[in-house]
Amino acid sequence: GQNIDQPTEMTATEGAIVQINCTYQTSGFNGLFWYQQHAGEAPTFLSYNVLDGLEEKGRFSSFLSRSKGYSYLLLKELQMKDSASYLCAVTDSNYQLIWGAGTKLIIKP
Amino acid sequence: ETGVTQTPRHLVMGMTNKKSLKCEQHLGHNAMYWYKQSAKKPLELMFVYSLEERVENNSVPSRFSPECPNSSHLFLHLHTLQPEDSALYLCASSQDHYSGANVLTFGAGSRLTVL
Repeated sequence: GQNIDQPTEMTATEGAIVQINCTYQTSGFNGLFWYQQHAGEAPTFLSYNVLDGLEEKGRFSSFLSRSKGYSYLLLKELQMKDSASYLCAVTDSNYQLIWGAGTKLIIKP
Repeated sequence: ETGVTQTPRHLVMGMTNKKSLKCEQHLGHNAMYWYKQSAKKPLELMFVYSLEERVENNSVPSRFSPECPNSSHLFLHLHTLQPEDSALYLCASSQDHYSGANVLTFGAGSRLTVL
């Protein structure tokens, strides 16, 4: 079966760095997404990786290793507003999006 | 308005009621989706429409009935629901369903409670 694993919850301190991991087993691969979802709000797109390596966007970076079926989302200089759930999703060979259950990130002052 | 708009934001219904959720997108996208989101579970894809044609139906019970009258509007008709159907129902749209880089734009969701 197809599966995406990510930690259920993480806690970090304001101003610090946190890395949220995602591992996947899917039927084919056409790209990996990270979405951010604040409580009671819509998920919003953060990043898309289809080739191995690191993609940087301001304070957020996303890394992909296709051979290892592994990705991480790196958040630097954490702010209180980064408290949210972070969803990892993979597009399989049939262009179906497979979702992880999300990682709830709690930022403490 | 811009983006994806869902109404109502909150809905409470009895098991014998009939209600509908509405979704509207103002992005000119060709694909629209209904997802179910339950606590601590992955998003569950319910229905996909591409160019107003249903392309996926992931074994969803018949008490959920989608309707896509045009490329900008999507409905989810609900009838004789069960308490376990209580969840957040998210609508999304994207430019092209058949693309690896298929970025979804989500609405804020309709929180459904079935009594």
